Amino acid sequence: AQSVTQLDSQVPVFEEAPVELRCNYSSSVSVYLFWYVQYPNQGLQLLLKYLSGSTLVKGINGFEAEFNKSQTSFHLRKPSVHISDTAEYFCAVTHGSGSARQLTFGSGTQLTVLP
Amino acid sequence: DSGVTQTPKHLITATGQRVTLRCSPRSGDLSVYWYQQSLDQGLQFLIQYYNGEERAKGNILERFSAQQFPDLHSELNLSSLELGDSALYFCASRGPLAGGRGAKNIQYFGAGTRLSVL
Repeated sequence: AQSVTQLDSQVPVFEEAPVELRCNYSSSVSVYLFWYVQYPNQGLQLLLKYLSGSTLVKGINGFEAEFNKSQTSFHLRKPSVHISDTAEYFCAVTHGSGSARQLTFGSGTQLTVLP
Repeated sequence: DSGVTQTPKHLITATGQRVTLRCSPRSGDLSVYWYQQSLDQGLQFLIQYYNGEERAKGNILERFSAQQFPDLHSELNLSSLELGDSALYFCASRGPLAGGRGAKNIQYFGAGTRLSVL
C-alpha cells in the first residue's frame, strides 16, 4: 500500500526566510506526486504536481518541489516566505489505476510565518 | 474557485440524526471523491464514484453511504450521528480517463461542509 510521511507537523519560520517542508513516500511503482495547501477555513488547493519530465517542478505562489526517486522524496521549498503563506500543506501520492485511482495524503505540515 | 461546489457550508445537528451533504463536480468531471478531515484522524478518504458507480472505498463507516446521480452530482449520507462524526467533509472531482495525464490524476477540492454534532 502507498504511504506518505510528512516529517514535520509544525514548521515556524520568520518572514522572508527560506523554508523546506519534507515529504517521503513509499511506492514500488511509478508515482504521481502532489502538494496541496489549505488556508484557514478553506478547502484544499493544488500547489504543484509531478507527473513526469523534469524533477524540479514549480507551482503557484513561488513554491517549488524536487522529485527524488532514489530517496523517494518530494520536498517543498520556497526561498522567501510571506505572512500569507501561513497554512497547512499536504503532500499526496496517487495509487490505483483506471477509474479507481486515488490519492493518499500525508498528515500535513502546519507552516506558520512569523513577522 | 475550483469549480467543485459543496452544500451546505455548515451543518449543526444532534446525535442520532441523519444528514445529507451534496457535491457538484467540475463540469465534465466523472469522478467524485469524499474525504473526512478531523483533528485526530487527519484527512481520510471515504469513498469514490465514477460515472455513477462506486469505484473505491476507504475508511467509510457502515452508518455512512453515498451515491452519484445521472447528472454526476453526489450525496454523502451520514446517519445515527455521533459526537465523533464532527468534522470537515470534502468532496473532490477528477477529470475523465480520456484526458491527459494531469486530467485523470489531479483532484480538485470543494470548500467543504463543516459538520458539528452536538
